[in-house]
Amino acid sequence: RKEVEQDPGPFNVPEGATVAFNCTYSNSASQSFFWYRQDCRKEPKLLMSVYSSGNEDGRFTAQLNRASQYISLLIRDSKLSDSATYLCVVSPDNAGNMLTFGGGTRLMVKP
Amino acid sequence: DTGVSQDPRHKITKRGQNVTFRCDPISEHNRLYWYRQTLGQGPEFLTYFQNEAQLEKSRLLSDRFSAERPKGSFSTLEIQRTEQGDSAMYLCASSLMNQPQHFGDGTRLSIL
Repeated sequence: RKEVEQDPGPFNVPEGATVAFNCTYSNSASQSFFWYRQDCRKEPKLLMSVYSSGNEDGRFTAQLNRASQYISLLIRDSKLSDSATYLCVVSPDNAGNMLTFGGGTRLMVKP
Repeated sequence: DTGVSQDPRHKITKRGQNVTFRCDPISEHNRLYWYRQTLGQGPEFLTYFQNEAQLEKSRLLSDRFSAERPKGSFSTLEIQRTEQGDSAMYLCASSLMNQPQHFGDGTRLSIL
C-alpha cells in the first residue's frame, strides 16, 4: 500500500465547474501537508500548504482531517489553466523535509 | 532569482555505464533534496543535504547511488552500473530551512 493514495483520474470538467480531489495518507505521525501542482513534463510547484483548520487561497480550498488521515482540495470556478496533475504531499516533520508524494490526480478543464 | 538549475536536461546511456547529474540550488538555500519520478507516479524522496551534510537517505538509494554536496552549494548525484530500472526523471529541489522546496526542471535519464 502506498503511503499517500490518490485517485489518478483524469477528472474531465467544464470551465467554471467546481471539482474536489481527495487523498489519504497512512503515516499517522505525518506533521505537514501540502498540495503541489505539476504540469506535463514540468517540475512540481507548491500550490498551498494544508492546515488543520482548513485554508483558502483564492479559488482553492484545502482541508485536513487528521483523525481520518484525509486531505482534500477544492477548486471553484475552474479555469482552462487549472489543467494539470495535483499531487498530495505529506512530511514527517514540521519543516517539510523528506516529502512523500501521492501519485497525483490529473485534471483536465474543457472549454 | 535564477531558480534551481539541473544539468543535463536529458541523458541517454547504455546499461552498465556510470552517469552523474548536477544540481545548482537557489543561491543561499542551505537545504538541497534529490527525488526520482517515474511516469505516472509522484516524485520519490532519495536524499537531502543541509549545507554539506547529508542528513537523510531513502532506502531507495541503493549502493550504486551516491550524492555529494562538497561545498554546501551545488550537488552531484552519481549512479554506477546503471540498470533499466534507473530510467526516470531525477529532480532536485532546494529550500531555506523550514521553507517550501523549489524544484528544478529535472534530468531525464534513459537507459538503453
